[in-house]
Amino acid sequence: AQSVTQLGSHVSVSEGALVLLRCNYSSSVPPYLFWYVQYPNQGLQLLLKYTSAATLVKGINGFEAEFKKSETSFHLTKPSAHMSDAAEYFCAVSPGGYQKVTFGTGTKLQVIP
Amino acid sequence: DGGITQSPKYLFRKEGQNVTLSCEQNLNHDAMYWYRQDPGQGLRLIYYSQIVNDFQKGDIAEGYSVSREKKESFPLTVTSAQKNPTAFYLCASRDISKYGYTFGSGTRLTVV
Repeated sequence: AQSVTQLGSHVSVSEGALVLLRCNYSSSVPPYLFWYVQYPNQGLQLLLKYTSAATLVKGINGFEAEFKKSETSFHLTKPSAHMSDAAEYFCAVSPGGYQKVTFGTGTKLQVIP
Repeated sequence: DGGITQSPKYLFRKEGQNVTLSCEQNLNHDAMYWYRQDPGQGLRLIYYSQIVNDFQKGDIAEGYSVSREKKESFPLTVTSAQKNPTAFYLCASRDISKYGYTFGSGTRLTVV
């Protein structure tokens, strides 16, 4: 069984401030972990993925995430928020292969000018 | 460019009608998926298919049906048995060697 918990359905940050979106997972096997971004009325776009290589994963648009097995976490960060980062972000977990991917409930990021 | 095309972008359904949402991909991916998205609930899996002429129920398959007659196509039918069909529907495909999904741009279905 696998699950994902995203802490905070809404997060607000000032432009230029640190972005931190939290994700904790539960998985009975070594997981593959993902972060996706969704802009209004659009599909999801893959930001980054962890597939058991380096624990610090860099993605697109300056985002990165660190896999911490001891904390069962995969938090998403960006050093400086930009107005264009305003969107909804989803964390997801999978056992790998064609196994089902389970998504979190999402975190809406608001960037304040 | 390769990708997934969902159509239509907006769809209106009358009570008691069946409607079909289209999903076509030219990525040569074997696996395809349908998700339903409701505010605050994330994405919930409706059906998925790993190979042509085969598909499996996801977590919320009641009131939905699918077919997979071609590798490129995975249409979803929302039947009259689905009591609350108003939602945003997302189609995705997956290449086992690359992990993660590629998503279409979605279809917003509204019951009128």
